Amino acid sequence: EIVMTQSPATLSVSPGERATLSCRASQSVNSNLAWYQQKPGQAPRLLIYAASTRATGIPARFSGSGSGTEFTLTISSLQSEDFAVYYCQQYTQWPPLTFGGGTKVEIK
Amino acid sequence: QLHLQESGPGLVRPSETLSLTCVVSGGSVTSSGYYWGWIRQPPGKGLEWIGSIYYSGTTSYNPSLKSRVTMSVDTSKNQFSLELNSVTAADTAVYYCARNVIVVVSHRTLEFDRWGQGTLVTVSS
Repeated sequence: EIVMTQSPATLSVSPGERATLSCRASQSVNSNLAWYQQKPGQAPRLLIYAASTRATGIPARFSGSGSGTEFTLTISSLQSEDFAVYYCQQYTQWPPLTFGGGTKVEIK
Repeated sequence: QLHLQESGPGLVRPSETLSLTCVVSGGSVTSSGYYWGWIRQPPGKGLEWIGSIYYSGTTSYNPSLKSRVTMSVDTSKNQFSLELNSVTAADTAVYYCARNVIVVVSHRTLEFDRWGQGTLVTVSS
């Protein structure tokens, strides 16, 4: 099973600032990685797939990068609606499909 | 626009079977480019993939739950279902159904691009 580790657990950022979230895989997942955003009481929403491709309707301020075992989700200028929990998910080796533990982006 | 809606009991007794259904609207479960999956989230915790099913009935389950999970699909009703038996308090979670994109040629699963709103299932006597 591929273990996904996200850091930090919590990120405090001021509106308008850049946020950088990390996701590490226990072994290479190539570019087979997705990022999701989850707001309180809501289902996760797909943001990024194939490590760097934005899903339909996702604003350009969200970008993904990385390959192999190290990945980054960057939010270039945080808006109020971006404060949420973010999860990464690998799909290079399954079963099982595995998610990271999440990073909570909170208002500083 | 595709919509997924979970339904089922919100309370299940320990040792019994949890049963949930996901009704798909605005699209078809027989679409070739997708599996249909279940993911759960214990209160205050992260996401755990339970399993995914293709419209033909082909399934893939999380090895950690495989002995207790059964998934099925009903193409006539455009829905798919989850059964988890011998539940304990550790199975208390919000259960989500979701559309799982696949590579059609290989059936390799990819990301989850559409999700239901989720349903809380509590295991308690």
